Amino acid sequence: EDQVTQSPEALRLQEGESSSLNCSYTVSGLRGLFWYRQDPGKGPEFLFTLYSAGEEKEKERLKATLTKKESFLHITAPKPEDSATYLCAVQPNTGNQFYFGTGTSLTVIP
Amino acid sequence: EAGVAQSPRYKIIEKRQSVAFWCNPISGHATLYWYQQILGQGPKLLIQFQNNGVVDDSQLPKDRFSAERLKGVDSTLKIQPAKLEDSAVYLCASSRQDVYEQYFGPGTRLTVT
Repeated sequence: EDQVTQSPEALRLQEGESSSLNCSYTVSGLRGLFWYRQDPGKGPEFLFTLYSAGEEKEKERLKATLTKKESFLHITAPKPEDSATYLCAVQPNTGNQFYFGTGTSLTVIP
Repeated sequence: EAGVAQSPRYKIIEKRQSVAFWCNPISGHATLYWYQQILGQGPKLLIQFQNNGVVDDSQLPKDRFSAERLKGVDSTLKIQPAKLEDSAVYLCASSRQDVYEQYFGPGTRLTVT
């Protein structure tokens, strides 16, 4: 069964304290892995797409990496405005479904 | 460029009533998605359209949920009759035909009492 698991569920960081969020997935074959940011009361905002193991993408303080079984979202020197829920989603290479994890709620304390 | 528009933003109904949600995708986006997000969970894909046609509706509860996309642009999602467990945020997203990045609207928060 296709599955996406994110950890930790919640993370509190001091401003400037770098860390990583994990997304592990179980699919028969991967078409794409997606990272989104969701602020309270808003829809998810697209961050990255990764297609193959070894791929990396960066945007400001965020860097996403992909292996055959998991993806990491690295946050370097976070700021309070990075506080949000970060969602991971996978699209298997069979069918048209997208499977989201339950997200990691990140709080960055000034 | 305007984003994905959804209305209403909030809706409160009693169980067994019906409700409809509207979505206008980003101009030129051929693919449109409807998701259900229950509090504390990730979005769950209900139905995906490519232009006018349904690509995937495997997780749509078809006994009570229906959706249409007329003329390949706007879409409506309907629930009839609503149940308590339908309380959730209903998100609409769209993407270009050749890429998979989805752009989400603000969602409609439905409360069924």
